[in-house]
Amino acid sequence: EAQVTQNPRYLITVTGKKLTVTCSQNMNHEYMSWYRQDPGLGLRQIYYSMNVEVTDKGDVPEGYKVSRKEKRNFPLILESPSPNQTSLYFCASSLSPLAGGLYEQYFGPGTRLTVT
Amino acid sequence: AQKITQTQPGMFVQEKEAVTLDCTYDTSDPSYGLFWYKQPSSGEMIFLIYQGSYDQQNATEGRYSLNFQKARKSANLVISASQLGDSAMYFCVRGKLIFGQGTTLQVKP
Repeated sequence: EAQVTQNPRYLITVTGKKLTVTCSQNMNHEYMSWYRQDPGLGLRQIYYSMNVEVTDKGDVPEGYKVSRKEKRNFPLILESPSPNQTSLYFCASSLSPLAGGLYEQYFGPGTRLTVT
Repeated sequence: AQKITQTQPGMFVQEKEAVTLDCTYDTSDPSYGLFWYKQPSSGEMIFLIYQGSYDQQNATEGRYSLNFQKARKSANLVISASQLGDSAMYFCVRGKLIFGQGTTLQVKP
């Protein structure tokens, strides 16, 4: 079954404690991205990756890191989480972000992160 | 700036009636895709329908159809015969991953 998986699905942590949210897709997609969703703000892109070893900042990259060592995995790293990073996070993948974006994105189930 | 505008933060519709969710967009790309996603209260994102800018016909997928007016830069989602399970938030998305703010739809029995 084609899917994007994220782990953990729920996480409560404390300020400053490094954490990683994993994302994996089994569709051989080139393109992967991370979003955060906050009430009233919709989904905002954090980072994206066009292919292995190619990553770039989205609209709200501050406080996050990513890596793309393998095509299927795209982990999101919070080196020193703060309460304003409490949010719902989605990982997504698609075939290729051609100009205009002609391919559907597949989303993971989401990760609810609370930073106290 | 290239953006998506969904002007209806919340809508109500009676079960079995049709409803239209509005979406307008900005773009300078010669070709692009437009997508609609549904997000129920459980949180996952569900792909509904896709419209390519060069498609000659409006997209349809079961009870979902897209009223695409390229000159007006609008891509409204039409849900026919609403069901209680259609209650959710709906996002209009332009290719290159630009999301609208979303419209919360509630279907009344």
